[in-house]
Amino acid sequence: ETGVTQTPRHLVMGMTNKKSLKCEQHLGHNAMYWYKQSAKKPLELMFVYSLEERVENNSVPSRFSPECPNSSHLFLHLHTLQPEDSALYLCASSQEQGGGYTFGSGTRLTVV
Amino acid sequence: QQQVKQSPQSLIVQKGGISIINCAYENTAFDYFPWYQQFPGKGPALLIAIRPDVSEKKEGRFTISFNKSAKQFSLHIMDSQPGDSATYFCAATDNYGQNFVFGPGTRLSVLP
Repeated sequence: ETGVTQTPRHLVMGMTNKKSLKCEQHLGHNAMYWYKQSAKKPLELMFVYSLEERVENNSVPSRFSPECPNSSHLFLHLHTLQPEDSALYLCASSQEQGGGYTFGSGTRLTVV
Repeated sequence: QQQVKQSPQSLIVQKGGISIINCAYENTAFDYFPWYQQFPGKGPALLIAIRPDVSEKKEGRFTISFNKSAKQFSLHIMDSQPGDSATYFCAATDNYGQNFVFGPGTRLSVLP
Protein backbone atom coordinates (compact mmCIF):
# COMPACT_ATOMS: atom_id res chain seq x y z
CA GLU A 1 0.00 0.00 0.00
CA THR A 2 1.25 3.45 -0.90
CA GLY A 3 -0.74 5.33 1.75
CA VAL A 4 -3.32 6.38 -0.84
CA THR A 5 -6.28 3.99 -1.00
CA GLN A 6 -8.85 4.00 -3.78
CA THR A 7 -12.15 2.16 -3.85
CA PRO A 8 -13.58 0.42 -5.67
CA ARG A 9 -10.73 -1.12 -7.69
CA HIS A 10 -13.08 -1.97 -10.54
CA LEU A 11 -16.43 -0.48 -11.53
CA VAL A 12 -18.80 -1.25 -14.37
CA MET A 13 -21.66 1.17 -14.79
CA GLY A 14 -24.36 1.95 -17.28
CA MET A 15 -24.67 5.33 -18.87
CA THR A 16 -27.66 6.22 -16.71
CA ASN A 17 -26.12 5.18 -13.39
CA LYS A 18 -24.74 7.35 -10.62
CA LYS A 19 -21.68 6.14 -8.78
CA SER A 20 -18.85 7.57 -6.71
CA LEU A 21 -15.14 6.87 -6.53
CA LYS A 22 -13.43 7.25 -3.19
CA CYS A 23 -9.87 8.15 -2.31
CA GLU A 24 -8.32 8.26 1.14
CA GLN A 25 -4.78 9.24 2.09
CA HIS A 26 -3.01 8.63 5.39
CA LEU A 27 0.14 10.58 4.63
CA GLY A 28 -0.74 13.95 6.11
CA HIS A 29 -0.63 15.54 2.66
CA ASN A 30 -2.58 18.72 2.01
CA ALA A 31 -3.16 18.47 -1.73
CA MET A 32 -5.15 15.81 -3.58
CA TYR A 33 -5.72 15.16 -7.28
CA TRP A 34 -7.85 13.19 -9.70
CA TYR A 35 -6.20 11.98 -12.90
CA LYS A 36 -7.64 10.08 -15.85
CA GLN A 37 -5.43 7.51 -17.54
CA SER A 38 -6.57 6.24 -20.93
CA ALA A 39 -4.72 3.86 -23.21
CA LYS A 40 -2.00 5.53 -25.28
CA LYS A 41 -2.69 8.96 -23.79
CA PRO A 42 -0.79 11.04 -21.27
CA LEU A 43 -2.11 11.26 -17.75
CA GLU A 44 -4.85 13.88 -17.75
CA LEU A 45 -5.22 16.09 -14.70
CA MET A 46 -8.90 16.46 -13.85
CA PHE A 47 -9.13 18.17 -10.48
CA VAL A 48 -6.81 19.61 -7.86
CA TYR A 49 -7.66 20.28 -4.25
CA SER A 50 -5.25 22.18 -2.03
CA LEU A 51 -6.15 22.61 1.62
CA GLU A 52 -9.62 21.33 0.72
CA GLU A 53 -10.22 24.09 -1.83
CA ARG A 54 -10.53 23.26 -5.51
CA VAL A 55 -7.82 25.10 -7.40
CA GLU A 56 -8.11 23.72 -10.92
CA ASN A 57 -10.87 22.25 -13.04
CA ASN A 58 -9.22 21.75 -16.43
CA SER A 59 -12.51 21.89 -18.34
CA VAL A 60 -13.72 18.53 -17.15
CA PRO A 61 -17.29 17.69 -18.24
CA SER A 62 -19.90 18.35 -15.58
CA ARG A 63 -20.80 14.65 -15.48
CA PHE A 64 -17.72 14.41 -13.25
CA SER A 65 -18.17 16.13 -9.90
CA PRO A 66 -15.42 16.15 -7.24
CA GLU A 67 -15.86 16.51 -3.51
CA CYS A 68 -13.21 17.00 -0.85
CA PRO A 69 -14.82 16.98 2.60
CA ASN A 70 -11.45 17.07 4.41
CA SER A 71 -7.76 16.84 3.64
CA SER A 72 -7.76 13.04 3.85
CA HIS A 73 -10.71 12.20 1.62
CA LEU A 74 -11.54 12.86 -1.99
CA PHE A 75 -14.51 11.69 -4.00
CA LEU A 76 -15.38 11.72 -7.68
CA HIS A 77 -19.11 11.56 -8.30
CA LEU A 78 -20.10 10.16 -11.68
CA HIS A 79 -23.42 10.47 -13.52
CA THR A 80 -24.62 9.91 -17.08
CA LEU A 81 -21.18 8.91 -18.27
CA GLN A 82 -20.26 8.02 -21.82
CA PRO A 83 -18.40 4.93 -23.05
CA GLU A 84 -15.38 7.13 -23.84
CA ASP A 85 -15.12 7.86 -20.11
CA SER A 86 -13.95 4.29 -19.57
CA ALA A 87 -10.43 4.59 -18.16
CA LEU A 88 -8.29 4.17 -15.09
CA TYR A 89 -9.02 6.94 -12.62
CA LEU A 90 -6.09 7.71 -10.36
CA CYS A 91 -6.06 9.65 -7.14
CA ALA A 92 -2.84 11.23 -5.89
CA SER A 93 -1.76 13.33 -2.97
CA SER A 94 1.21 15.56 -2.19
CA GLN A 95 2.54 18.08 0.25
CA GLU A 96 1.91 21.59 -0.96
CA GLN A 97 5.60 22.35 -0.87
CA GLY A 98 6.89 19.59 -3.10
CA GLY A 99 8.06 16.02 -2.73
CA GLY A 100 6.19 14.53 -5.62
CA TYR A 101 2.96 12.68 -5.84
CA THR A 102 1.87 9.50 -4.16
CA PHE A 103 -0.66 7.71 -6.33
CA GLY A 104 -3.30 5.22 -5.40
CA SER A 105 -3.77 2.03 -7.43
CA GLY A 106 -6.68 3.51 -9.31
CA THR A 107 -10.24 2.56 -10.15
CA ARG A 108 -10.71 0.80 -13.48
CA LEU A 109 -13.99 2.21 -14.78
CA THR A 110 -15.93 0.66 -17.63
CA VAL A 111 -19.02 2.46 -18.94
CA VAL A 112 -21.39 0.22 -20.87
CA GLN B 1 4.78 25.17 -23.73
CA GLN B 2 3.30 23.04 -20.99
CA GLN B 3 4.06 19.79 -22.80
CA VAL B 4 6.66 17.25 -21.92
CA LYS B 5 7.72 15.10 -24.86
CA GLN B 6 8.92 11.56 -24.21
CA SER B 7 10.55 8.92 -26.39
CA PRO B 8 10.57 6.16 -27.31
CA GLN B 9 6.96 5.08 -26.96
CA SER B 10 8.11 1.51 -26.35
CA LEU B 11 11.45 -0.11 -25.70
CA ILE B 12 12.67 -3.70 -25.67
CA VAL B 13 15.96 -4.45 -23.95
CA GLN B 14 17.80 -7.66 -23.19
CA LYS B 15 18.46 -8.57 -19.58
CA GLY B 16 21.64 -6.86 -18.42
CA GLY B 17 21.40 -4.13 -21.02
CA ILE B 18 20.97 -0.39 -20.57
CA SER B 19 17.52 1.16 -20.99
CA ILE B 20 17.42 4.83 -21.94
CA ILE B 21 14.29 6.98 -22.03
CA ASN B 22 14.41 10.61 -23.08
CA CYS B 23 12.25 13.60 -22.26
CA ALA B 24 12.21 17.20 -23.43
CA TYR B 25 10.39 20.27 -22.19
CA GLU B 26 9.85 23.88 -23.22
CA ASN B 27 8.86 25.71 -20.07
CA THR B 28 12.03 27.11 -18.51
CA ALA B 29 10.13 27.68 -15.27
CA PHE B 30 10.02 23.93 -14.61
CA ASP B 31 12.21 23.19 -11.62
CA TYR B 32 11.42 19.63 -10.56
CA PHE B 33 11.66 16.58 -12.81
CA PRO B 34 10.51 13.24 -11.44
CA TRP B 35 10.26 9.86 -13.09
CA TYR B 36 7.43 7.50 -12.28
CA GLN B 37 7.24 3.74 -12.74
CA GLN B 38 3.90 2.03 -13.28
CA PHE B 39 3.25 -1.69 -13.21
CA PRO B 40 0.01 -3.13 -14.64
CA GLY B 41 -2.88 -2.75 -12.24
CA LYS B 42 -1.01 -0.24 -10.08
CA GLY B 43 -0.75 3.51 -9.94
CA PRO B 44 2.47 5.28 -10.90
CA ALA B 45 5.13 5.30 -8.18
CA LEU B 46 7.89 7.88 -7.80
CA LEU B 47 11.16 6.33 -8.91
CA ILE B 48 13.71 9.13 -8.88
CA ALA B 49 13.67 12.90 -9.28
CA ILE B 50 16.06 15.74 -10.02
CA ARG B 51 16.21 19.52 -9.74
CA PRO B 52 18.04 21.61 -12.36
CA ASP B 53 20.89 22.60 -10.06
CA VAL B 54 22.58 19.23 -10.73
CA SER B 55 23.30 17.45 -14.00
CA GLU B 56 23.01 13.89 -12.77
CA LYS B 57 21.41 11.93 -9.98
CA LYS B 58 21.97 8.25 -9.34
CA GLU B 59 20.01 5.87 -7.15
CA GLY B 60 21.09 2.28 -7.47
CA ARG B 61 20.70 1.17 -11.09
CA PHE B 62 18.66 4.26 -11.99
CA THR B 63 20.26 7.50 -13.14
CA ILE B 64 18.74 10.77 -14.32
CA SER B 65 20.86 12.89 -16.65
CA PHE B 66 19.78 16.52 -16.95
CA ASN B 67 20.80 19.02 -19.64
CA LYS B 68 19.44 22.41 -18.66
CA SER B 69 20.61 24.25 -21.79
CA ALA B 70 18.99 21.68 -24.07
CA LYS B 71 15.93 21.38 -21.83
CA GLN B 72 16.23 17.63 -21.87
CA PHE B 73 16.49 14.93 -19.27
CA SER B 74 16.76 11.18 -19.49
CA LEU B 75 16.42 8.05 -17.40
CA HIS B 76 19.08 5.37 -17.64
CA ILE B 77 18.46 1.92 -16.20
CA MET B 78 21.69 0.00 -15.88
CA ASP B 79 21.78 -3.81 -15.84
CA SER B 80 18.10 -3.92 -16.80
CA GLN B 81 16.11 -6.77 -15.29
CA PRO B 82 12.82 -8.41 -16.29
CA GLY B 83 11.34 -6.96 -13.10
CA ASP B 84 11.98 -3.49 -14.53
CA SER B 85 9.37 -4.16 -17.23
CA ALA B 86 6.82 -1.40 -16.69
CA THR B 87 5.64 1.90 -18.10
CA TYR B 88 7.83 4.87 -17.25
CA PHE B 89 6.59 8.46 -17.16
CA CYS B 90 8.69 11.56 -16.97
CA ALA B 91 7.12 14.68 -15.50
CA ALA B 92 7.86 18.30 -14.75
CA THR B 93 6.46 21.04 -12.57
CA ASP B 94 7.13 24.64 -11.67
CA ASN B 95 4.84 24.82 -8.71
CA TYR B 96 6.61 23.36 -5.70
CA GLY B 97 5.78 19.83 -6.79
CA GLN B 98 2.11 20.33 -7.53
CA ASN B 99 0.33 20.10 -10.86
CA PHE B 100 2.76 17.98 -12.78
CA VAL B 101 2.87 17.80 -16.54
CA PHE B 102 3.42 14.18 -17.51
CA GLY B 103 5.03 12.72 -20.59
CA PRO B 104 2.98 10.14 -22.53
CA GLY B 105 4.94 7.21 -21.13
CA THR B 106 7.36 4.57 -22.36
CA ARG B 107 6.53 0.91 -22.13
CA LEU B 108 9.71 -0.99 -21.28
CA SER B 109 10.03 -4.72 -21.78
CA VAL B 110 13.18 -6.42 -20.52
CA LEU B 111 13.64 -9.85 -22.04
CA PRO B 112 15.08 -12.65 -19.88
